[in-house]
Amino acid sequence: DSGVTQTPKHLITATGQRVTLRCSPRSGDLSVYWYQQSLDQGLQFLIQYYNGEERAKGNILERFSAQQFPDLHSELNLSSLELGDSALYFCASSVEPGLARQYFGPGTRLTVT
Amino acid sequence: TQLLEQSPQFLSIQEGENLTVYCNSSSVFSSLQWYRQEPGEGPVLLVTVVTGGEVKKLKRLTFQFGDARKDSSLHITAAQPGDTGLYLCAGGWGNTPLVFGKGTRLSVIA
Repeated sequence: DSGVTQTPKHLITATGQRVTLRCSPRSGDLSVYWYQQSLDQGLQFLIQYYNGEERAKGNILERFSAQQFPDLHSELNLSSLELGDSALYFCASSVEPGLARQYFGPGTRLTVT
Repeated sequence: TQLLEQSPQFLSIQEGENLTVYCNSSSVFSSLQWYRQEPGEGPVLLVTVVTGGEVKKLKRLTFQFGDARKDSSLHITAAQPGDTGLYLCAGGWGNTPLVFGKGTRLSVIA
């Protein structure tokens, strides 16, 4: 158990819909990262927050957005869903940004039908 | 552009065999991390290497960082079924986010 929690574990929805994935970091960790993992693309960095502020952006689509709240939990919002958005979405947390050890949650498996 | 290339993509071996998987890049990294991911779970950090030429051992796993800090290898001695999983390498520079390879999927058959 990494101490990072993600909900829901599984999500099945239709194209065009909007979903919200939730992540609670390890106690004491200020930085949260979101990743997308698919078979063909591997683990792709989406976005990072540190203490409520956006820190770095990766290959995140404009249809996707995220935020980190004052209690440090984070949400990833995916809208206008397409079949190609089906993937595993992981949240990770670390004490500080940069090369600090990241602890990954168990992931949310999103299936868009 | 895939900055980190991992090989082989898939590897299936018998219990007790040795194996080496590779992580290569044209870029120099400040550090390189290896993770193992099991089905239904998130990646778990195995080791971080930061110095060119560095070798780290974790029980039957030996990690090496290339002298030029562009490549790394993971060697497993006497593989066991519990070693089965997806092995990911990830490179980093300073405060920039990690870049992950696509991984090597290892299957150890009893």
